[in-house]
Amino acid sequence: DTGVSQNPRHKITKRGQNVTFRCDPISEHNRLYWYRQTLGQGPEFLTYFQNEAQLEKSRLLSDRFSAERPKGSFSTLEIQRTEQGDSAMYLCASSVTSGGPASYEQFFGPGTRLTVL
Amino acid sequence: AQKVTQAQTEISVVEKEDVTLDCVYETRDTTYYLFWYKQPPSGELVFLIRRNSFDEQNEISGRYSWNFQKSTSSFNFTITASQVVDSAVYFCALSEASTGGGADGLTFGKGTHLIIQP
Repeated sequence: DTGVSQNPRHKITKRGQNVTFRCDPISEHNRLYWYRQTLGQGPEFLTYFQNEAQLEKSRLLSDRFSAERPKGSFSTLEIQRTEQGDSAMYLCASSVTSGGPASYEQFFGPGTRLTVL
Repeated sequence: AQKVTQAQTEISVVEKEDVTLDCVYETRDTTYYLFWYKQPPSGELVFLIRRNSFDEQNEISGRYSWNFQKSTSSFNFTITASQVVDSAVYFCALSEASTGGGADGLTFGKGTHLIIQP
């Protein structure tokens, strides 16, 4: 399967701990996006990369959050000093900037469900 | 700022009925893209359709059809002859064009939970 993959699928942590999630995009996709989804809500955009450059960050991305995509392939999202309000599903998506309409299609991974106790 | 409104929180119909999911959007851009995604109980978002702001042609794909009307800023989704497998949360989303030819982050609505009863 060559879809977007995310690891781990589930993470339970105690408040104050740091956590890191990984996303592997579809291999030829140069754009990678992170979203957060809480129960009963739609996904909310956090940040995105084109290759290794982080092009946009949402105001939702507090100083405790940091994302990297060092080689333009996989990406990591780290949350430091987790809080109970960080409990959510963290979704990764990827797309390709071909210049045509298909550039706008984002394909999502299965997500990482974070529970902060 | 962009905004997507899905006023229907939950819809329940009996199998084989037709059902329409409403989506109203707000954007100041003249170039933008609209999407529908399906999120079944398994949780993974499944892409259904993309429509750009210059193409108001309605689209039909099997039992699914989409009605895009710029005059009312709406992009509604109809399922004909619904089936139990259509039960899911459906999200409408909006993206504005970015420099570089690709998409910025999507703005999603809150979703409509569709329940198809046998």
